[in-house]
Amino acid sequence: KAGVTQTPRYLIKTRGQQVTLSCSPISGHRSVSWYQQTPGQGLQFLFEYFSETQRNKGNFPGRFSGRQFSNSRSEMNVSTLELGDSALYLCASSLEGGGETQYFGPGTRLLVL
Amino acid sequence: AQSVTQLGSHVSVSEGALVLLRCNYSSSVPPYLFWYVQYPNQGLQLLLKYTSAATLVKGINGFEAEFKKSETSFHLTKPSAHMSDAAEYFCAVSSSGYSTLTFGKGTMLLVSP
Repeated sequence: KAGVTQTPRYLIKTRGQQVTLSCSPISGHRSVSWYQQTPGQGLQFLFEYFSETQRNKGNFPGRFSGRQFSNSRSEMNVSTLELGDSALYLCASSLEGGGETQYFGPGTRLLVL
Repeated sequence: AQSVTQLGSHVSVSEGALVLLRCNYSSSVPPYLFWYVQYPNQGLQLLLKYTSAATLVKGINGFEAEFKKSETSFHLTKPSAHMSDAAEYFCAVSSSGYSTLTFGKGTMLLVSP
């Protein structure tokens, strides 16, 4: 089975712009979660989608949003980028969520200038 | 609220020596516990998972971890370190019914010849 894929792998944006990141889960997985990884804050949960509905949300501002499509693929969007949004954004998928093992993609590294 | 504490941001061992990475958690409900490894410029790879079936959990690459409820610990060990084990290791906790993973700050394992 193919693993979790994320596109693009690297991205450079300037402050004020917006960005969309994409995640394709493992085939058959319906839960997709997003995490932000930074040197200062470590790994932080952004949100989880299951069957096209946001099921959980972390403590991030409303500039961070996401969605999930009927084929379980997910996108996350960050509007009005700030320098502090520079991070590795990781997507993880699991069959149903709820404590199951999450399998991570390689991440998208975002640099905001 | 759940939390994870990893003692030691960096651990150095010699090749062939015992690896011990410490993890303590707090959770108000029986937890699921995970160890993930991250190699440079990659996502997270699951090493092992505790789900209450057995207190000693064996994972990939010779790693194992022991769940000790009385100490709220889930330390990761490997009898003999290999150069290829050099990476960052993350302990994480989630609760049944929730997909949210709460991560520790990570421990960088350095292996010297």
